[in-house]
Amino acid sequence: QVQLVESGGGLVKPGGSLRLSCAASGFTFSDYYMSWIRQAPGKGLEWVSYISSRGSTIYYADSVKGRFTISRDNARSSLYLQMHSLRAEDTAVYYCARDYLWLRDWGQGTLVTVSS
Amino acid sequence: DIQMTQSPSSLSASIGDRVTITCQASQDMTNYLNWYQQKPGKAPKLLIYDASYLETGVPSRFSGSGSGTDFTFTISSLQPEDIATYYCQQYDNLPPTFGQGTKLEIK
Repeated sequence: QVQLVESGGGLVKPGGSLRLSCAASGFTFSDYYMSWIRQAPGKGLEWVSYISSRGSTIYYADSVKGRFTISRDNARSSLYLQMHSLRAEDTAVYYCARDYLWLRDWGQGTLVTVSS
Repeated sequence: DIQMTQSPSSLSASIGDRVTITCQASQDMTNYLNWYQQKPGKAPKLLIYDASYLETGVPSRFSGSGSGTDFTFTISSLQPEDIATYYCQQYDNLPPTFGQGTKLEIK
């Protein structure tokens, strides 16, 4: 069965950096677009970024453009989100999800807290 | 970007009630609209895709309909396990976008 396992979250100071990872299994990772979606505490879902199967198409929300970088390693079936210049408003649970149209499979999420 | 406006933002209903949530798009779109259920502390779960198709394994009391700018999600008979927040999501026009969510509570 499909499994997506995020890691790398934690507490970071404003202006700091963090790298999230998502380990995928149970499907052919290199066949699928992948997405990062976040949810601030008590708030709704926000699409952060998605990347095509070979990495040639990438989308970023305006709120993270220039600060976050999505990447993937198809050989390792892994998705990444490098986050720089973190702000308090980036505090959220970050989910990775398979695809970018129908999100049938999600990870359990990893919490990123930006606070001094 | 297409903006998706859900209503109501919260809803209180009794067990057995018929519950309806609407999602209005900021521009005319095809049926590329999905509905998700999210329970506290859990990742969202896809219930309805392409406006009206029931995801495998999802109970038949859930349904979706609509076209153009107006879409509807319905629970025909509310069950205790349906307490959750529901989100619509369009992918007719990239980037895909979510509605702001509807929190469903038991009266």
